[in-house]
Amino acid sequence: EPEVTQTPSHQVTQMGQEVILRCVPISNHLYFYWYRQILGQKVEFLVSFYNNEISEKSEIFDDQFSVERPDGSNFTLKIRSTKLEDSAMYFCASSEALLISNQPQHFGDGTRLSIL
Amino acid sequence: AQTVTQSQPEMSVQEAETVTLSCTYDTSESDYYLFWYKQPPSRQMILVIRQEAYKQQNATENRFSVNFQKAAKSFSLKISDSQLGDAAMYFCAYRWGQGGSEKLVFGKGTKLTVNP
Repeated sequence: EPEVTQTPSHQVTQMGQEVILRCVPISNHLYFYWYRQILGQKVEFLVSFYNNEISEKSEIFDDQFSVERPDGSNFTLKIRSTKLEDSAMYFCASSEALLISNQPQHFGDGTRLSIL
Repeated sequence: AQTVTQSQPEMSVQEAETVTLSCTYDTSESDYYLFWYKQPPSRQMILVIRQEAYKQQNATENRFSVNFQKAAKSFSLKISDSQLGDAAMYFCAYRWGQGGSEKLVFGKGTKLTVNP
């Protein structure tokens, strides 16, 4: 069964550094998402992406964050200048076209981001 | 704002027994979708079961079934004949209906332990 893959599984970065988290969505999916989960807290929506542009973003997704689909297969989340509070598990997800709205989102294993 | 509440941080069940995980949500919408996702340790979130709010019939997937009470805004998950492989974090999630936001709103999760 096709899967969403994320790399790396664990990223350790110094505060203030830029980090790029990578995701390869399922190949025929058209909608892409990033979520994060701070330890002990809920999984929170960050951003959705469709047709090469952001379709929705949360208040968490400020100017420090950006997303990109650079080559038609990868979907990346960039944090420009990381803060301690960015430490979390970041999940990528993808779904088919929303002609039928109950299409589920398929999640990757997540990248654990640790900011030192 | 839509919220999802899982009041049981942890649950345990004996192998072959039945367990019910609770979930309540708050919304003013009439058209929406509800999901249960399972996240085994260090693994990706996997969709277990989904329910369309307009359907009165409770969804069932093999040993997994839901008790959807729309008026009470309750969406519990029943796992019958529990197996060791059912041990995981279980997340309840809500999504708007057709034409609405695509994001999933998650509960905090319930950690299920299955005892042999």
